[in-house]
Amino acid sequence: GDSVTQMEGPVTLSEEAFLTINCTYTATGYPSLFWYVQYPGEGLQLLLKATKADDKGSNKGFEATYRKETTSFHLEKGSVQVSDSAVYFCALSISAIAGGTSYGKLTFGQGTILTVHP
Amino acid sequence: DSGVTQTPKHLITATGQRVTLRCSPRSGDLSVYWYQQSLDQGLQFLIQYYNGEERAKGNILERFSAQQFPDLHSELNLSSLELGDSALYFCASGATAGPQHFGDGTRLSIL
Repeated sequence: GDSVTQMEGPVTLSEEAFLTINCTYTATGYPSLFWYVQYPGEGLQLLLKATKADDKGSNKGFEATYRKETTSFHLEKGSVQVSDSAVYFCALSISAIAGGTSYGKLTFGQGTILTVHP
Repeated sequence: DSGVTQTPKHLITATGQRVTLRCSPRSGDLSVYWYQQSLDQGLQFLIQYYNGEERAKGNILERFSAQQFPDLHSELNLSSLELGDSALYFCASGATAGPQHFGDGTRLSIL
């Protein structure tokens, strides 16, 4: 079945450090890929998405590129802030056609806890 | 604010009991999804409804059921509760073509 694997956590960084959280997937059909962020006591917020190979999703300084050849969607940010401390989830949803936007259920990775110190 | 409203925020009950979790989707969203988040299982898809009809089923126990009403709000019913059912239950809603937006969740604690 479809699955998402995230790098082992937690991740602890100093402010202004470079962030990478690895995400790889296995899927049938045409997966759309997402990064969600969960702040303490809150629900998941969509951070960015990509619907087809080589698409780059970006938001709030975060970026991720859909790499079909390596089945990866790694999250990066050039300079993290204390306010970025949260849990980050990589997820996929299968579309009926390549690049399609009809989203079904989300399959999540296990989540990566990010803590940024001043 | 995602526009998805879940009630109650917290629920404490005992084993063997039954509870109902409620979700109001964002205005205009026809799909409602339910997910369970626990420490050992992570985030798992339970069930999806689209405009009142069941669309997809995931790892939902037979003791659990859900429905979506004509006004598009949804309820998740959990019965014969066990200690292992303690978790965060999230509702998400989505348009016909678009990403899912999550509510803040209901934290269920079974004593």
